[in-house]
Amino acid sequence: QQQVKQSPQSLIVQKGGISIINCAYENTAFDYFPWYQQFPGKGPALLIAIRPDVSEKKEGRFTISFNKSAKQFSLHIMDSQPGDSATYFCAASYGRSSGDKLTFGTGTRLAVRP
Amino acid sequence: GAVVSQHPSWVICKSGTSVKIECRSLDFQATTMFWYRQFPKQSLMLMATSNEGSKATYEQGVEKDKFLINHASLTLSTLTVTSAHPEDSSFYICSGSSGDLSYEQYFGPGTRLTVT
Repeated sequence: QQQVKQSPQSLIVQKGGISIINCAYENTAFDYFPWYQQFPGKGPALLIAIRPDVSEKKEGRFTISFNKSAKQFSLHIMDSQPGDSATYFCAASYGRSSGDKLTFGTGTRLAVRP
Repeated sequence: GAVVSQHPSWVICKSGTSVKIECRSLDFQATTMFWYRQFPKQSLMLMATSNEGSKATYEQGVEKDKFLINHASLTLSTLTVTSAHPEDSSFYICSGSSGDLSYEQYFGPGTRLTVT
Protein backbone atom coordinates (compact mmCIF):
# COMPACT_ATOMS: atom_id res chain seq x y z
CA GLN A 1 0.00 0.00 0.00
CA GLN A 2 2.98 2.23 0.37
CA GLN A 3 4.13 1.82 -3.21
CA VAL A 4 4.02 4.40 -5.92
CA LYS A 5 4.16 2.83 -9.37
CA GLN A 6 5.77 4.90 -12.11
CA SER A 7 5.82 4.42 -15.87
CA PRO A 8 7.42 4.37 -18.33
CA GLN A 9 10.85 3.37 -17.16
CA SER A 10 12.42 5.30 -20.01
CA LEU A 11 11.15 7.78 -22.56
CA ILE A 12 12.56 9.31 -25.72
CA VAL A 13 10.95 12.48 -27.04
CA GLN A 14 11.85 14.78 -29.89
CA LYS A 15 12.66 18.39 -29.13
CA GLY A 16 9.47 20.39 -28.92
CA GLY A 17 7.34 17.37 -28.12
CA ILE A 18 5.34 16.55 -25.03
CA SER A 19 6.78 14.21 -22.40
CA ILE A 20 4.26 12.37 -20.25
CA ILE A 21 5.12 10.35 -17.17
CA ASN A 22 2.51 8.54 -15.12
CA CYS A 23 2.28 7.45 -11.50
CA ALA A 24 -0.29 5.45 -9.57
CA TYR A 25 -0.71 4.94 -5.86
CA GLU A 26 -2.79 2.78 -3.54
CA ASN A 27 -2.71 4.56 -0.20
CA THR A 28 -5.60 7.02 -0.14
CA ALA A 29 -4.03 8.74 2.86
CA PHE A 30 -1.40 10.30 0.60
CA ASP A 31 -2.07 14.01 0.34
CA TYR A 32 1.03 15.51 -1.21
CA PHE A 33 2.38 14.54 -4.61
CA PRO A 34 5.66 16.10 -5.76
CA TRP A 35 7.74 15.51 -8.85
CA TYR A 36 11.51 15.64 -8.74
CA GLN A 37 14.11 16.05 -11.47
CA GLN A 38 17.52 14.49 -11.03
CA PHE A 39 20.59 14.92 -13.19
CA PRO A 40 23.42 12.35 -13.04
CA GLY A 41 25.54 12.71 -9.92
CA LYS A 42 23.22 15.32 -8.39
CA GLY A 43 20.53 15.33 -5.77
CA PRO A 44 16.89 15.54 -6.82
CA ALA A 45 15.30 18.95 -7.22
CA LEU A 46 11.63 19.69 -6.69
CA LEU A 47 9.89 20.53 -9.96
CA ILE A 48 6.26 20.87 -9.03
CA ALA A 49 3.87 19.44 -6.48
CA ILE A 50 0.12 19.07 -6.06
CA ARG A 51 -2.40 18.41 -3.32
CA PRO A 52 -5.48 16.25 -3.98
CA ASP A 53 -7.89 19.15 -3.71
CA VAL A 54 -7.00 20.28 -7.24
CA SER A 55 -6.99 18.33 -10.50
CA GLU A 56 -4.27 20.22 -12.29
CA LYS A 57 -1.36 22.50 -11.54
CA LYS A 58 0.81 24.26 -14.08
CA GLU A 59 4.17 25.93 -13.64
CA GLY A 60 5.77 27.06 -16.85
CA ARG A 61 6.20 24.08 -19.15
CA PHE A 62 5.44 21.59 -16.38
CA THR A 63 1.91 20.44 -15.55
CA ILE A 64 0.66 17.92 -13.04
CA SER A 65 -2.65 16.24 -13.75
CA PHE A 66 -4.26 14.55 -10.76
CA ASN A 67 -7.11 12.01 -10.84
CA LYS A 68 -8.16 11.30 -7.29
CA SER A 69 -10.76 8.65 -8.13
CA ALA A 70 -8.29 6.71 -10.24
CA LYS A 71 -5.47 7.31 -7.77
CA GLN A 72 -3.21 8.46 -10.57
CA PHE A 73 -1.19 11.54 -11.32
CA SER A 74 1.00 12.48 -14.22
CA LEU A 75 3.66 14.97 -15.24
CA HIS A 76 3.45 16.66 -18.61
CA ILE A 77 6.46 18.51 -19.97
CA MET A 78 5.44 20.75 -22.84
CA ASP A 79 7.88 21.85 -25.55
CA SER A 80 10.46 19.38 -24.26
CA GLN A 81 14.08 20.54 -24.59
CA PRO A 82 17.38 18.63 -24.59
CA GLY A 83 18.12 20.28 -21.24
CA ASP A 84 15.13 18.42 -19.80
CA SER A 85 16.98 15.13 -20.30
CA ALA A 86 17.16 13.74 -16.78
CA THR A 87 15.56 11.19 -14.49
CA TYR A 88 12.17 12.13 -13.11
CA PHE A 89 10.71 10.74 -9.90
CA CYS A 90 7.19 11.03 -8.66
CA ALA A 91 6.62 10.77 -4.94
CA ALA A 92 3.84 10.81 -2.39
CA SER A 93 3.58 11.76 1.24
CA TYR A 94 0.89 11.80 3.91
CA GLY A 95 0.27 12.92 7.43
CA ARG A 96 -0.65 16.17 9.11
CA SER A 97 2.88 16.95 10.14
CA SER A 98 5.08 18.56 7.51
CA GLY A 99 8.26 16.95 6.38
CA ASP A 100 6.73 13.52 6.43
CA LYS A 101 8.37 10.63 4.66
CA LEU A 102 8.29 10.58 0.89
CA THR A 103 7.58 7.40 -1.00
CA PHE A 104 9.31 7.57 -4.36
CA GLY A 105 8.39 6.01 -7.67
CA THR A 106 10.96 3.99 -9.55
CA GLY A 107 11.97 6.82 -11.86
CA THR A 108 11.73 7.63 -15.56
CA ARG A 109 14.81 8.36 -17.63
CA LEU A 110 13.86 11.00 -20.17
CA ALA A 111 15.97 11.68 -23.24
CA VAL A 112 15.00 14.61 -25.46
CA ARG A 113 16.50 14.34 -28.94
CA PRO A 114 17.58 17.58 -30.63
CA GLY B 1 14.35 27.57 -2.76
CA ALA B 2 16.13 26.49 0.38
CA VAL B 3 19.67 25.18 0.08
CA VAL B 4 21.16 22.02 1.53
CA SER B 5 24.84 21.20 1.26
CA GLN B 6 26.68 17.94 1.75
CA HIS B 7 30.31 17.29 2.49
CA PRO B 8 32.23 15.59 1.10
CA SER B 9 30.77 15.26 -2.38
CA TRP B 10 32.93 12.24 -3.05
CA VAL B 11 34.88 9.95 -0.74
CA ILE B 12 36.88 6.76 -1.08
CA CYS B 13 37.64 4.71 1.99
CA LYS B 14 39.14 1.33 2.71
CA SER B 15 37.06 -1.60 3.84
CA GLY B 16 36.71 -1.69 7.62
CA THR B 17 37.11 2.04 8.17
CA SER B 18 34.43 4.57 9.04
CA VAL B 19 33.40 7.63 7.09
CA LYS B 20 31.31 10.63 8.11
CA ILE B 21 29.08 12.60 5.78
CA GLU B 22 27.79 16.04 6.78
CA CYS B 23 24.49 17.56 5.73
CA ARG B 24 23.85 21.24 6.36
CA SER B 25 20.82 23.43 5.76
CA LEU B 26 22.31 26.75 4.73
CA ASP B 27 19.39 29.17 4.82
CA PHE B 28 16.69 27.49 6.86
CA GLN B 29 16.31 25.52 10.04
CA ALA B 30 15.73 21.85 9.33
CA THR B 31 13.61 20.41 12.10
CA THR B 32 13.60 17.10 10.28
CA MET B 33 16.32 15.61 8.14
CA PHE B 34 16.18 12.51 6.01
CA TRP B 35 18.94 10.26 4.72
CA TYR B 36 18.56 8.32 1.49
CA ARG B 37 20.69 5.84 -0.37
CA GLN B 38 20.56 5.51 -4.13
CA PHE B 39 22.16 2.76 -6.19
CA PRO B 40 22.92 3.35 -9.89
CA LYS B 41 19.81 3.71 -12.03
CA GLN B 42 17.56 3.09 -9.05
CA SER B 43 15.22 5.17 -6.99
CA LEU B 44 15.92 6.80 -3.65
CA MET B 45 15.56 4.53 -0.66
CA LEU B 46 14.89 6.20 2.67
CA MET B 47 17.32 5.06 5.32
CA ALA B 48 16.29 7.10 8.33
CA THR B 49 14.49 10.17 9.60
CA SER B 50 15.92 12.38 12.29
CA ASN B 51 14.52 15.25 14.30
CA GLU B 52 16.80 17.76 15.93
CA GLY B 53 17.84 16.57 19.36
CA SER B 54 16.18 13.18 19.03
CA LYS B 55 17.31 9.73 18.06
CA ALA B 56 16.91 8.85 14.42
CA THR B 57 14.15 6.54 13.25
CA TYR B 58 15.50 3.91 10.90
CA GLU B 59 13.63 2.20 8.11
CA GLN B 60 13.17 -1.53 8.21
CA GLY B 61 16.29 -3.36 7.15
CA VAL B 62 18.68 -0.48 7.84
CA GLU B 63 21.29 -1.33 10.46
CA LYS B 64 21.27 1.46 13.02
CA ASP B 65 24.63 0.41 14.44
CA LYS B 66 26.21 0.60 11.03
CA PHE B 67 24.67 3.86 9.86
CA LEU B 68 24.96 6.29 12.76
CA ILE B 69 22.90 9.43 12.37
CA ASN B 70 23.24 12.51 14.52
CA HIS B 71 21.06 15.61 14.24
CA ALA B 72 22.71 17.83 16.79
CA SER B 73 21.40 21.17 15.57
CA LEU B 74 18.74 22.64 13.33
CA THR B 75 21.28 23.07 10.54
CA LEU B 76 23.49 20.00 10.78
CA SER B 77 23.00 16.27 10.51
CA THR B 78 25.71 13.67 10.08
CA LEU B 79 25.70 10.13 8.77
CA THR B 80 28.59 7.91 9.81
CA VAL B 81 29.07 4.65 7.96
CA THR B 82 30.93 2.42 10.38
CA SER B 83 33.12 -0.50 9.38
CA ALA B 84 32.37 0.17 5.74
CA HIS B 85 32.33 -2.66 3.21
CA PRO B 86 32.27 -2.55 -0.59
CA GLU B 87 28.52 -3.22 -0.58
CA ASP B 88 28.07 0.09 1.24
CA SER B 89 29.33 1.89 -1.86
CA SER B 90 26.47 4.07 -2.99
CA PHE B 91 25.20 7.60 -3.48
CA TYR B 92 24.01 9.03 -0.17
CA ILE B 93 21.60 11.97 -0.24
CA CYS B 94 20.20 13.99 2.63
CA SER B 95 17.21 16.27 2.70
CA GLY B 96 15.81 18.74 5.16
CA SER B 97 12.37 19.95 6.04
CA SER B 98 11.66 23.20 7.84
CA GLY B 99 8.60 21.99 9.67
CA ASP B 100 6.22 24.41 8.03
CA LEU B 101 3.06 23.26 6.33
CA SER B 102 4.50 23.01 2.84
CA TYR B 103 5.61 19.36 3.16
CA GLU B 104 8.61 20.28 1.03
CA GLN B 105 11.91 18.51 1.43
CA TYR B 106 15.04 20.22 0.16
CA PHE B 107 17.67 17.82 -1.08
CA GLY B 108 21.42 18.04 -0.88
CA PRO B 109 23.69 17.35 -3.87
CA GLY B 110 24.62 13.89 -2.63
CA THR B 111 27.82 12.13 -1.56
CA ARG B 112 29.37 9.38 -3.63
CA LEU B 113 30.93 6.76 -1.32
CA THR B 114 33.27 4.17 -2.73
CA VAL B 115 34.62 1.48 -0.40
CA THR B 116 37.65 -0.40 -1.68
